Amino acid sequence: EIVMTQSPVTLSVSPGERATLSCRASQSVSSNLAWYQQKPGQAPRLLIYGASTRATGVPARFSGSGSGTEFTLTISSLQSEDFAVYYCQQFNNWPLTFGPGTKVDSK
Amino acid sequence: EVQLLESGGGLVQPGGSLRLSCAASGFTFSTYAMNWVRQAPGKGLEWVSVVTGIGDSTIYADSVKGRFTIFRDNSKNTLYLQMNSLTAEDTAVYYCAKSNFAHFFDDWGQGTLVTVSS
Repeated sequence: EIVMTQSPVTLSVSPGERATLSCRASQSVSSNLAWYQQKPGQAPRLLIYGASTRATGVPARFSGSGSGTEFTLTISSLQSEDFAVYYCQQFNNWPLTFGPGTKVDSK
Repeated sequence: EVQLLESGGGLVQPGGSLRLSCAASGFTFSTYAMNWVRQAPGKGLEWVSVVTGIGDSTIYADSVKGRFTIFRDNSKNTLYLQMNSLTAEDTAVYYCAKSNFAHFFDDWGQGTLVTVSS
């Protein structure tokens, strides 16, 4: 099983600031990596797939990068609606696995 | 617009069974693989199972293998999860999620809560 790790656990950011979230895979997942946003009481929402492709309707301030074992989600200028938990997920191997999440909260 | 609506959650005793349903609309259901993903209270996301579009192949997480069965009825645009031998560790919100061309999840239901407790 591929183990996904995320850092930091919590990221405190002020609106307008840049947020950088990291995701690491225990072995290469090529570019088969997705990012999701989850707000309290809501289902997750797909943000990024293929490591760097924004899903339909996702604002351009969200960008993804990386390949192999190291990935980054960047929010260029954080908006108030971006406070949430962010999960990465690999879809290169079975079983599909998620990282433990990074909570982005207000500084 | 894609809609996925789960139902069937509730309180069940340890060792009991429950069947979840997910009614799909807004897309050609039989074209897409479908998944169940769960989230224990206050915890992260855990993929549970996937079934192919025509229902001929399934894969399970080790944590549920042999106890859960995923299946679908394409004539009813509905996905199911039959859960047997439930334990407290199965307590979670269960989401159905649609796979895109690869196995990431581009649409999710709102979830249904399963609580296993005596």
